[in-house]
Amino acid sequence: EAGVTQFPSHSVIEKGQTVTLRCDPISGHDNLYWYRRVMGKEIKFLLHFVKESKQDESGMPNNRFLAERTGGTYSTLKVQPAELEDSGVYFCASSVGHSGANVLTFGAGSRLTVL
Amino acid sequence: GQNIDQPTEMTATEGAIVQINCTYQTSGFNGLFWYQQHAGEAPTFLSYNVLDGLEEKGRFSSFLSRSKGYSYLLLKELQMKDSASYLCAVREQTGANNLFFGTGTRLTVIP
Repeated sequence: EAGVTQFPSHSVIEKGQTVTLRCDPISGHDNLYWYRRVMGKEIKFLLHFVKESKQDESGMPNNRFLAERTGGTYSTLKVQPAELEDSGVYFCASSVGHSGANVLTFGAGSRLTVL
Repeated sequence: GQNIDQPTEMTATEGAIVQINCTYQTSGFNGLFWYQQHAGEAPTFLSYNVLDGLEEKGRFSSFLSRSKGYSYLLLKELQMKDSASYLCAVREQTGANNLFFGTGTRLTVIP
């Protein structure tokens, strides 16, 4: 089966510009997560969708970040306007359900560089 | 808050055994995960522990002690391809699916 796909793999933008990252989860996975890793730090949770609904967005840094998952399939994460501190690798992950291990399958990440 | 600690870097020899430790302090606990991540690639799932004890899966084993807030990942018969970062992650609450990660341990396997 196809894994979690993220696009673009790398984006370089200037401060104040807008960037939209896309994640295609594994087909049939209701849960979709966004995480971020800034350089030298740990991977941190941003938010969690169950189908098209935001289950938990407690990790979103501020209102410059907007995540959507229309139709409960792919998701987008928009940063507008981007700031220098937004640079990092944005990971998307998906999982099937809620019971047991509920293993998250991650994508390779989208590296964002804000100049 | 959450605090998850792992060594930053480790080096081991091909064919040897290495143990990567992880200690955690979290508000709650509902499972500990180990992921492997090669540079520029997706983190991939290695193991899951929710009860105390050892889980073995081929060359990789993972141990958990909930009372001590401690886990380790044991890699046997090291191969060059095992050079990667190993991420320890804790799920805090029943029903919550988000994970809290440590900064990862970069393992270098040398000939």
